[in-house]
Amino acid sequence: GENVEQHPSTLSVQEGDSAVIKCTYSDSASNYFPWYKQELGKRPQLIIDIRSNVGEKKDQRIAVTLNKTAKHFSLHITETQPEDSAVYFCAATGANNLFFGTGTRLTVIP
Amino acid sequence: EAGVAQSPRYKIIEKRQSVAFWCNPISGHATLYWYQQILGQGPKLLIQFQNNGVVDDSQLPKDRFSAERLKGVDSTLKIQPAKLEDSAVYLCASSRTGGPAEQFFGPGTRLTVL
Repeated sequence: GENVEQHPSTLSVQEGDSAVIKCTYSDSASNYFPWYKQELGKRPQLIIDIRSNVGEKKDQRIAVTLNKTAKHFSLHITETQPEDSAVYFCAATGANNLFFGTGTRLTVIP
Repeated sequence: EAGVAQSPRYKIIEKRQSVAFWCNPISGHATLYWYQQILGQGPKLLIQFQNNGVVDDSQLPKDRFSAERLKGVDSTLKIQPAKLEDSAVYLCASSRTGGPAEQFFGPGTRLTVL
């Protein structure tokens, strides 16, 4: 099955700085890579996703890049705000199932 | 549209007791997933349904866990008997199709096994 590794496990940034979270995956057949944000005690919510036929996708302050050859993808958050503080999960999927990373706890310091 | 509904939100039981969780997916979503999220970890898929059929239950501990989606809409997940290591949040999610697509998560049921 797929194995997704995520780094770092915790990340603290000053408000306004950028944050980068990186994930690697093992199954070259994986073709869909979503990122979920989970605030304390709440449900995971999709913030951005990318498919394997695209190298980069951007949505306002959030961007995701994918390197299929190296089997890694990254989440970039620019101009961070306190409300960006949460746990972020990457995931990878092949035909059906999502395999999640272990999460990154992002803290944005005002 | 209404989101994924789950109940109960919290459950505390003694080990060796049984427990059941209920999920109602977003209307029209054919695919339903049950995940187990242990504190500090990412969600781990337990079982996936496409309508009322099981697509993948390879990570479901079948000696104690069972799940059904009889009419292809709502679903129940049961644990019998529970163990201490089953303490986790059980998340239900649904998606419009079974392929790579956005999954919408419910609020989860936090299970504590004492």
